[in-house]
Amino acid sequence: AQSVTQLGSHVSVSEGALVLLRCNYSSSVPPYLFWYVQYPNQGLQLLLKYTSAATLVKGINGFEAEFKKSETSFHLTKPSAHMSDAAEYFCAVSGGTSYGKLTFGQGTILTVHP
Amino acid sequence: EAQVTQNPRYLITVTGKKLTVTCSQNMNHEYMSWYRQDPGLGLRQIYYSMNVEVTDKGDVPEGYKVSRKEKRNFPLILESPSPNQTSLYFCASSLSSSDSPLHFGNGTRLTVT
Repeated sequence: AQSVTQLGSHVSVSEGALVLLRCNYSSSVPPYLFWYVQYPNQGLQLLLKYTSAATLVKGINGFEAEFKKSETSFHLTKPSAHMSDAAEYFCAVSGGTSYGKLTFGQGTILTVHP
Repeated sequence: EAQVTQNPRYLITVTGKKLTVTCSQNMNHEYMSWYRQDPGLGLRQIYYSMNVEVTDKGDVPEGYKVSRKEKRNFPLILESPSPNQTSLYFCASSLSSSDSPLHFGNGTRLTVT
């Protein structure tokens, strides 16, 4: 079985501030981990993915995430927030015998203030 | 352009009236899946398909049917919709491996009254 917990359903930052969105996962096998972003009235887009290569993964739009096995975490960060980063972000896990079942977290809405 | 196309984007219907939401992808992906998105619950998988004629239940399959007669199409069928199926639905596709990212359609907002 696998699960994902995103800590904080809403995160608010000022433009230029650090963005930190938290994701913890549970998986009985080595996981594949993903971050997706959803802009209003659109489908989800892939930001980045971890597939057991480098533990620090760089994605689009300046985002990156670090896989920490000991903490079962895959937190998403961006050094400096931009107004265009305002969206909902989803962490997801798949892998092993759960192939075909991609499990999503509850989502975190990021608000960026001027 | 590589894309997943869902239709319709918006649908309002009444309880018990059968409906179908279509999904088509042009990337020759083996894997396709349907999700519903509800506030505070994230995305929950309804059904998925590994390839033509191969489908399996996700986490919330009750009240839904799917078929995969062709590789590119994966329609979602609600035989007798109920108000608790009011939701935002997404179709997605990918290559058939656990590390392949999903490509999502733009969603179908369904309201059942």
